[in-house]
Amino acid sequence: AQRVTQPEKLLSVFKGAPVELKCNYSYSGSPELFWYVQYSRQRLQLLLRHISRESIKGFTADLNKGETSFHLKKPFAQEEDSAMYYCALTGGGYQKVTFGTGTKLQVIP
Amino acid sequence: SAVISQKPSRDICQRGTSLTIQCQVDSQVTMMFWYRQQPGQSLTLIATANQGSEATYESGFVIDKFPISRPNLTFSTLTVSNMSPEDSSIYLCSVVRESNEQFFGPGTRLTVL
Repeated sequence: AQRVTQPEKLLSVFKGAPVELKCNYSYSGSPELFWYVQYSRQRLQLLLRHISRESIKGFTADLNKGETSFHLKKPFAQEEDSAMYYCALTGGGYQKVTFGTGTKLQVIP
Repeated sequence: SAVISQKPSRDICQRGTSLTIQCQVDSQVTMMFWYRQQPGQSLTLIATANQGSEATYESGFVIDKFPISRPNLTFSTLTVSNMSPEDSSIYLCSVVRESNEQFFGPGTRLTVL
């Protein structure tokens, strides 16, 4: 079975502080990991994916297979980063995507 | 990318009635997914809708309660049958592209009184 765990429901940080949103997963094969973001009154959208190894809006995430983690990081939080963040996993090949429970990031001015 | 629209965007329904939600995609896709997002919770997959075959339901969801149609490669409907207040939720459809990225519709906010 595939499972995604986001231990924090809410993460509050001050503007300019570093951010780390935790994500751990359970999957027997080689997963594809994603971070999705939902800003207020907007639809859910892809933020980044581990196979791209890119930085989006200053966010990065590294897949650590040893620790089965895919934490989302940003060195300096901005107010516009306030949103719900969902970690997600798929086995690839049009298989279903399993979402974590989400972490609400609140950046305090 | 994919442009996905849903109708209605929101509705308030009486207990015991049914509501059909439509999902339209701007291009042909093989698989469409229906999710439920209950207040304060994550997305839960209801079923996968393939064109020309029966939908595949996840554990805890049954066809009698959530019948799905997929008449062509750009359209699907989800019906929430015999509704109760516990069905109050946001219902989302999504599609997957070759890149395995999921694109989501704007959601249908359902309130059952």
